[in-house]
Amino acid sequence: EAQVTQNPRYLITVTGKKLTVTCSQNMNHEYMSWYRQDPGLGLRQIYYSMNVEVTDKGDVPEGYKVSRKEKRNFPLILESPSPNQTSLYFCASSLSAGIYGYTFGSGTRLTVV
Amino acid sequence: AQSVTQPDIHITVSEGASLELRCNYSYGATPYLFWYVQSPGQGLQLLLKYFSGDTLVQGIKGFEAEFKRSQSSFNLRKPSVHWSDAAEYFCAVGAGNFNKFYFGSGTKLNVKP
Repeated sequence: EAQVTQNPRYLITVTGKKLTVTCSQNMNHEYMSWYRQDPGLGLRQIYYSMNVEVTDKGDVPEGYKVSRKEKRNFPLILESPSPNQTSLYFCASSLSAGIYGYTFGSGTRLTVV
Repeated sequence: AQSVTQPDIHITVSEGASLELRCNYSYGATPYLFWYVQSPGQGLQLLLKYFSGDTLVQGIKGFEAEFKRSQSSFNLRKPSVHWSDAAEYFCAVGAGNFNKFYFGSGTKLNVKP
């Protein structure tokens, strides 16, 4: 089944403790992206990647890192999480987002206390 | 600048009634248009998309959308709403080969029994 898999689905962590949210897609998509969703603010893009080793900032990149060492994986790294990063995170992939749109993962609900 | 506007934050309809969710976009070239649905606790699922050709597009779950260039609109419709359609709906615009993707702020649909 074609899908984007994120892990974990739920995560509660403490301020400052580094964490990684994994994302993997099995569709051989070139484009991958991370979004965060907050009430009243909609979906905001954090980072995106157009291919292996090619990444760029989205609208809200502060406090996040990404890497794209393999085509299928695009982990999101929070080196020192803060409470304002409490949010619902989505990974997405596409052949070309502007043309085909994104396929989304099921989301990761992160709480930073 | 590119933008997507969903003027209705919340909509409540009775089960069996018809539904229309509004979406207006601002984009300089021919847009690629999408509607996504997000059920509670779930990721975003693509309902339908418009690239070119017939301006009335059929999607999954009995939804359709009509592209009106003169009004810069891409409204989503369903003739008869079911209780399971209660969800949040997002309109999005893709910028073609520029691989940019813009979401509206979403419309939450509540279905009354």
